Amino acid sequence: GAGVSQSPSNKVTEKGKDVELRCDPISGHTALYWYRQSLGQGLEFLIYFQGNSAPDKSGLPSDRFSAERTGGSVSTLTIQRTQQEDSAVYLCASSFYSQGSAFFGQGTRLTVV
Amino acid sequence: EDQVTQSPEALRLQEGESSSLNCSYTVSGLRGLFWYRQDPGKGPEFLFTLYSAGEEKEKERLKATLTKKESFLHITAPKPEDSATYLCAVQPTTSGTYKYIFGTGTRLKVLA
Repeated sequence: GAGVSQSPSNKVTEKGKDVELRCDPISGHTALYWYRQSLGQGLEFLIYFQGNSAPDKSGLPSDRFSAERTGGSVSTLTIQRTQQEDSAVYLCASSFYSQGSAFFGQGTRLTVV
Repeated sequence: EDQVTQSPEALRLQEGESSSLNCSYTVSGLRGLFWYRQDPGKGPEFLFTLYSAGEEKEKERLKATLTKKESFLHITAPKPEDSATYLCAVQPTTSGTYKYIFGTGTRLKVLA
């Protein structure tokens, strides 16, 4: 596609369940980022990929959060044993070069009930 | 510590009333500064990248400028469709990462 695609667009899950969020970056983009945006808050960095490697995972809030990227393309963010405080919009972005403009997807709105 | 502060938090303008949004930053070194527009329920939309002090970029009614400590987004004769949250981000020269650090944004409302 022409832009960054994220799925699902909305996800409601019960506390304690695991969820997987998917990101399809713009074709050819080598860098991929995950951010989290809570209601009324700024964008919180989670993880940065260069190719399939994650040189910076410093923003992952706990060991319940993990992410992987395969084939230098699709990325999956997994949250295990979800908690109510995990409720937020999860945004994925990609850029052609690591030093350059990043383009965002529409986000996945996660609600933990 | 690398930091980005945007002001004001919120701004209401009459249609045609020009103004400026501020983004102050503190970084050890700067790879780039980025402006985004975010509409409710949507992901941020890329507007501009600035790399060095003195650089300026323009797009329609928007003009972004950069100094060594801050950036301004000037909005000339705004229209109601310019209403959105405007986000500023920096990419510091931190070794081992190319993450972006975002400010909390300025919510702009343009009244007809």
